[in-house]
Order: sequence, then C-alpha cells, then structure tokens
Amino acid sequence: AQSVTQLGSHVSVSEGALVLLRCNYSSSVPPYLFWYVQYPNQGLQLLLKYTSAATLVKGINGFEAEFKKSETSFHLTKPSAHMSDAAEYFCAVTVNNNDMRFGAGTRLTVKP
Amino acid sequence: DTGVSQDPRHKITKRGQNVTFRCDPISEHNRLYWYRQTLGQGPEFLTYFQNEAQLEKSRLLSDRFSAERPKGSFSTLEIQRTEQGDSAMYLCASSRGTGSTGELFFGEGSRLTVL
Repeated sequence: AQSVTQLGSHVSVSEGALVLLRCNYSSSVPPYLFWYVQYPNQGLQLLLKYTSAATLVKGINGFEAEFKKSETSFHLTKPSAHMSDAAEYFCAVTVNNNDMRFGAGTRLTVKP
Repeated sequence: DTGVSQDPRHKITKRGQNVTFRCDPISEHNRLYWYRQTLGQGPEFLTYFQNEAQLEKSRLLSDRFSAERPKGSFSTLEIQRTEQGDSAMYLCASSRGTGSTGELFFGEGSRLTVL
C-alpha cells in the first residue's frame, strides 16, 4: 500500500528564511502527491498537488514542491518564510484515485 | 460551493455513551471520506463511500463504529459505547471521485472528548 514519511516533526525558521519540509513516498505505482496545510482549529487546505504532469508544482502562498522519482521525494519549499506560514503541514499520497494516506505532519514555526 | 460542513463541531460525552457525527459534502461530489486525527498525528483513514456504497473500511474502524451514507448525499459516523481512546478529531472530506485527481476537500472537523 502507498504511504508517505515526513522527516522532522517540527521545523523552525526565521522570518525571511528558506522553508524546506521533507516528504518521501512509497508506492508501487505512479502516485498522486499532495501537500495540505492546517491552521489551528481549522480543516485541512490544499497547498498544491502533483498529478504526473510537471514535476515542479507551484501552489498557493508562494509554496512549491518538486516530484523526484529517483529519490521518491516530494519536498515542500518556500523561498522566504512569513509569520503567517506558521501551521501544521501534511504530505499525502493517493494511488488510482482511491483513499488518501497522510504523513504524521510537520509543525512549522516562524521566528520574528 | 458551500464547502464540506460537519456537525457538531465539538462533542463532550461520558464513556459508554453513543455519539453521532454528520457530514454534508460538497453537493456535486460523489465520494465521501472519514478520517480520524489525534494530537500531533496526521489524519488516519477510516472509511470512504462512492455515492451510497461503502467501498473501503480501515482496520481502525472497530465494530463500535458505523458509517452510513443512505442517499449518497450526507453521511453519519456513529460511535457506540465510547471509550476514552476514541477522543480525537473526526474529519470528513469529499471529492469528485472517478475522473478527478484525487484532491480531497475537508470540513473543519468534529472534536470528540470522552470523559
């Protein structure tokens, strides 16, 4: 079955610094990959998704992710962190458009 | 597009009581999913429906849990004889299903506290 692993349960960056959140996937067939963000007491919002088109995917709020098949990775990046980026980020995978599996999440803290 | 709505947002109950959560998906979505999320963890898949058919159930869904989607629209998740370990956020999501890219749209969740 497909799965994702998020490396680092907590990442802390300074405002204006690069954000890098790591995600590796496991799947025997080509996956669809997603990044969701969850703000306190809110539901999950889609940041971006990879669906086998372009390997570099751009999402909302200046985030992007690159699908690297050779590394089975789908890391999330943002060039310059903003205070409003502080949240929980989840990587997720689905195969054949069935149930979606999530990673354990990475909490991003942004220091002023 | 009114989004996915869940009710109630919060439920506090005593151990042994039954609770029921309701989810109203986005109207044109034929797939509906239930997930459970505990503190510090990602959402864990419980079950999903294609229209009114329940197509998959996780091993996490014990006999005390039952989900229905009788007319292929809203869904209910019932937990019987609640236990303290059932305390969690129960998330509902919907998608267009076949022909879509699998993106899920989530509600804000129903938080259950079992005392």
